Amino acid sequence: DTAVSQTPKYLVTQMGNDKSIKCEQNLGHDTMYWYKQDSKKFLKIMFSYNNKELIINETVPNRFSPKSPDKAHLNLHINSLELGDSAVYFCASSQIGASETQYFGPGTRLLVL
Amino acid sequence: AQTVTQSQPEMSVQEAETVTLSCTYDTSENNYYLFWYKQPPSRQMILVIRQEAYKQQNATENRFSVNFQKAAKSFSLKISDSQLGDTAMYFCAQGGSEKLVFGKGTKLTVNP
Repeated sequence: DTAVSQTPKYLVTQMGNDKSIKCEQNLGHDTMYWYKQDSKKFLKIMFSYNNKELIINETVPNRFSPKSPDKAHLNLHINSLELGDSAVYFCASSQIGASETQYFGPGTRLLVL
Repeated sequence: AQTVTQSQPEMSVQEAETVTLSCTYDTSENNYYLFWYKQPPSRQMILVIRQEAYKQQNATENRFSVNFQKAAKSFSLKISDSQLGDTAMYFCAQGGSEKLVFGKGTKLTVNP
């Protein structure tokens, strides 16, 4: 069974479009995260949610809107996609907080043309 | 502010040999945790090893061990008996009360 899953794994789209990435975890964790990994492999947190509540928003443009319908799901919606949004986006989850081990999804490679 | 520095962008090692990856960090928190994650070409992020800062004993996980020097804020990863499957990006990370901060990674290549 996949612990943290993301869909889709690959996303190619035109500039200006709106797209969503879905994430689900079946580990029973309370906290979920979105990370962005740029072309230089630098991994940076974007958002974290604890039990459906937003905990961290790391100065991400408001074109990015996370949504957590329940504590097992954290989706990422991106409006008006820009070239600079091209990256790999990782979802992760942990039991509670950043002191616990985070388990990562397989990543979604987004390419904006 | 939390910062994590990995000073070796790339390293290589011969199969069966030992290699050490460096990591230093800075944090104002007293209670924190340190991690090494591995990212092979498949891009999956895989936990290698975890160290609680309040524990003096260095964590060990099979061929992987750390040298944790709390006063120096250093957290290096030693890989013994390197295998071809160890070829990957290795990320050091520090987690505190709020978030996990990653270093920029070290690309390790194990040569046959």
